[in-house]
Amino acid sequence: AQSVSQHNHHVILSEAASLELGCNYSYGGTVNLFWYVQYPGQHLQLLLKYFSGDPLVKGIKGFEAEFIKSKFSFNLRKPSVQWSDTAEYFCAVEGGSQGNLIFGKGTKLSVKP
Amino acid sequence: EAEVAQSPRYKITEKSQAVAFWCDPISGHATLYWYRQILGQGPELLVQFQDESVVDDSQLPKDRFSAERLKGVDSTLKIQPAELGDSAMYLCASSFAQGQGALAEAFFGQGTRLTVV
Repeated sequence: AQSVSQHNHHVILSEAASLELGCNYSYGGTVNLFWYVQYPGQHLQLLLKYFSGDPLVKGIKGFEAEFIKSKFSFNLRKPSVQWSDTAEYFCAVEGGSQGNLIFGKGTKLSVKP
Repeated sequence: EAEVAQSPRYKITEKSQAVAFWCDPISGHATLYWYRQILGQGPELLVQFQDESVVDDSQLPKDRFSAERLKGVDSTLKIQPAELGDSAMYLCASSFAQGQGALAEAFFGQGTRLTVV
């Protein structure tokens, strides 16, 4: 069965600090990978996605993620965070014949102004 | 901009009562998901539809939960009887994807926050 692990439950950073959120998945076949963001009081929104090709993908708001197949990882990065990045971030994996979309438990990011 | 509609936004119900949630996906989206998100955790898949057919309900507690998508468009998720542990956010999402590898992402609704008292 597929599973997704997000290692950091809560990350607290100051503005302008660099961000890296870890995501590892377990699935042996071809996968599609996603990062979703949930701002306070809002619904889940897609931040970026990887389907194939260049393993370094760029998303909205300056976020990027790198797919490392050998490590089953899809870490999210941003070189300089802003207070407005305060949100909860979810890594998700789509795999299997039915295209199940499985989420990690999420990482809450708090950015101090 | 097209969006996934869910209602109600909030629902408070007494335990042992029945409760239902409704979802209208983005037009043309064949895949529909129902997720449950307990506070502080990630969304957990309850059921996935491809058009009107259930393709995965392995995590749906079938003794009390049911879901249908009769015409392959909107969907209803029902809980009967509700238990205290069912308090959570119930999310609906839809996707243009037709199974794995169809290169599409899921769009989420605002969710229904259920409180069972």
